[in-house]
Amino acid sequence: GAGVSQSPRYKVTKRGQDVALRCDPISGHVSLYWYRQALGQGPEFLTYFNYEAQQDKSGLPNDRFSAERPEGSISTLTIQRTEQRDSAMYRCASSLVGSGMGDEQFFGPGTRLTVL
Amino acid sequence: QKEVEQDPGPLSVPEGAIVSLNCTYSNSAFQYFMWYRQYSRKGPELLMYTYSSGNKEDGRFTAQVDKSSKYISLFIRDSQPSDSATYLCASHSGGYQKVTFGTGTKLQVIP
Repeated sequence: GAGVSQSPRYKVTKRGQDVALRCDPISGHVSLYWYRQALGQGPEFLTYFNYEAQQDKSGLPNDRFSAERPEGSISTLTIQRTEQRDSAMYRCASSLVGSGMGDEQFFGPGTRLTVL
Repeated sequence: QKEVEQDPGPLSVPEGAIVSLNCTYSNSAFQYFMWYRQYSRKGPELLMYTYSSGNKEDGRFTAQVDKSSKYISLFIRDSQPSDSATYLCASHSGGYQKVTFGTGTKLQVIP
């Protein structure tokens, strides 16, 4: 079956513009995670959804970052007034249940964001 | 100090060698430990998943956790060129999986 998909795969924007990154999780997966991965670094947790409820947003860097998952499936990560330091790979992951051992997180291919 | 520390490498070994990859962690609440493999330009994929201390073996791969020293290891036997990738260790404390990743170690297996 289809894996986690993300769009766009690449996004180049000018400083100050807003961007919206989309994640389409594996069908039936309850949990959805957003991560940011800088070059040469591991993924860094941003936020987590259980169905449509945003359970943890402690990793969002500041209030320019927000995320939603209104129907418990597709999620959108929005960055307002982008800055150059926002440039990174943004990855989405989903898992079937979201707790307990062995509940694997499946990662999407990521969106490479470049802010000029 | 990062909660999960990992030597970034790169690590270069000849084909057939035994590879040892290591991480340390500082959060005593971590109970679950994982190794992910990430090929270039791809997302991480789960390789091994262990709970608490002990060993877990899967084919050529063995994951080892020592909670007393907060040390996580991954051993790869008979390494292959296809094992060339970045290996990320990761941990979480249970419940929903707010996973903390290490920086990743880049491994190259030379034919």
